[in-house]
Amino acid sequence: DSGVTQTPKHLITATGQRVTLRCSPRSGDLSVYWYQQSLDQGLQFLIQYYNGEERAKGNILERFSAQQFPDLHSELNLSSLELGDSALYFCASSQYPYREVKNIQYFGAGTRLSVL
Amino acid sequence: EDQVTQSPEALRLQEGESSSLNCSYTVSGLRGLFWYRQDPGKGPEFLFTLYSAGEEKEKERLKATLTKKESFLHITAPKPEDSATYLCAVQARGETSGSRLTFGEGTQLTVNP
Repeated sequence: DSGVTQTPKHLITATGQRVTLRCSPRSGDLSVYWYQQSLDQGLQFLIQYYNGEERAKGNILERFSAQQFPDLHSELNLSSLELGDSALYFCASSQYPYREVKNIQYFGAGTRLSVL
Repeated sequence: EDQVTQSPEALRLQEGESSSLNCSYTVSGLRGLFWYRQDPGKGPEFLFTLYSAGEEKEKERLKATLTKKESFLHITAPKPEDSATYLCAVQARGETSGSRLTFGEGTQLTVNP
């Protein structure tokens, strides 16, 4: 168990809908990351938050947004869902935003999103 | 743009048959190279991180090494429970990169008894 908790484990929804994925980081970790894993693209970085502030952004679609709350949990919101958004969404957490020291990302078990 | 290429895509070994997985990378200043293990339907599990060329790390039957252009994950006398997908990722220097990881596609390892 990595200590990173993601809910729900599975989500089935229809095209055009909006969903929210939730992540609780490991105790003491201030950074939260979101990744998307699809069959044809592997693990892709979406966005990073550190202590409530956006720290880095990957190729995240405009239909997707995220935030980190004062209690450090994070939510990833996906709207106007398309079939191609079906994927595994992983959250990871680490202690630091970036530094020249050990900054290991620990991953949750993921949320499997199926858009029908 | 940072890139990671892993080979082979898939590898089948007999129990006890040692082998190596390759990870080639290009990055604008390497902060760290990471190896993860991923079982089907689960999140990646951290194995190693390497920071500079020449560095080596070991854990049970696994040993990771790093050069300026690639990393190897050596598996000695593997067991069936080592079957998984092994992912390599790089983290680049620079404030705008944050701590993002750029992953390769992975090597799917199957160890037969």
